[in-house]
Amino acid sequence: NAGVTQTPKFQVLKTGQSMTLQCAQDMNHEYMSWYRQDPGMGLRLIHYSVGAGITDQGEVPNGYNVSRSTTEDFPLRLLSAAPSQTSVYFCASGGSVFEQFFGPGTRLTVL
Amino acid sequence: DQQVKQNSPSLSVQEGRISILNCDYTNSMFDYFLWYKKYPAEGPTFLISISSIKDKNEDGRFTVFLNKSAKHLSLHIVPSQPGDSAVYFCAAISNYQLIWGAGTKLIIKP
Repeated sequence: NAGVTQTPKFQVLKTGQSMTLQCAQDMNHEYMSWYRQDPGMGLRLIHYSVGAGITDQGEVPNGYNVSRSTTEDFPLRLLSAAPSQTSVYFCASGGSVFEQFFGPGTRLTVL
Repeated sequence: DQQVKQNSPSLSVQEGRISILNCDYTNSMFDYFLWYKKYPAEGPTFLISISSIKDKNEDGRFTVFLNKSAKHLSLHIVPSQPGDSAVYFCAAISNYQLIWGAGTKLIIKP
């Protein structure tokens, strides 16, 4: 099992560009989530999904879109990147919110 | 306003001694808490959890204590080992979401 994979590992964007952060899991988990971590802060939930076709907003959803067309994939889309979205992004999956396995993260810089 | 607080950004402990990491929360509706450990350039990994119906949970060298009246939990690591050097996050579950503290960086000195 590869676990939770995230691509890319690093990305630099210019303000206004759009991009998609990829997240995939091979553990057949229903629950998947996206977090961002900023310096000196804990992780903050952006969006989550409790199964294919079902998504919901977390604490900081503005500027991000998600979809869950399959159990395995949960991409995060930045519609128009802003410097405030410079952060490390973590994807996680689990049988529920009570047990989550995290990917290695994507470090995003927006200039 | 932070609902889960870890007021110590860092903690330094001698190898072999006890490490105690603290966490406070403000929402009395929280009923399940988790501790995660994070190494640099990696995602967090689950360490131990506790339900509000308990006041203690042990797993090997790790014990979590919950004081509901004080809205306080603590993670004890005994004995501390060099591999325990990491950032430790406390988190609470609310409405299918994890609410995280800012983390405490634990440094184990040889």
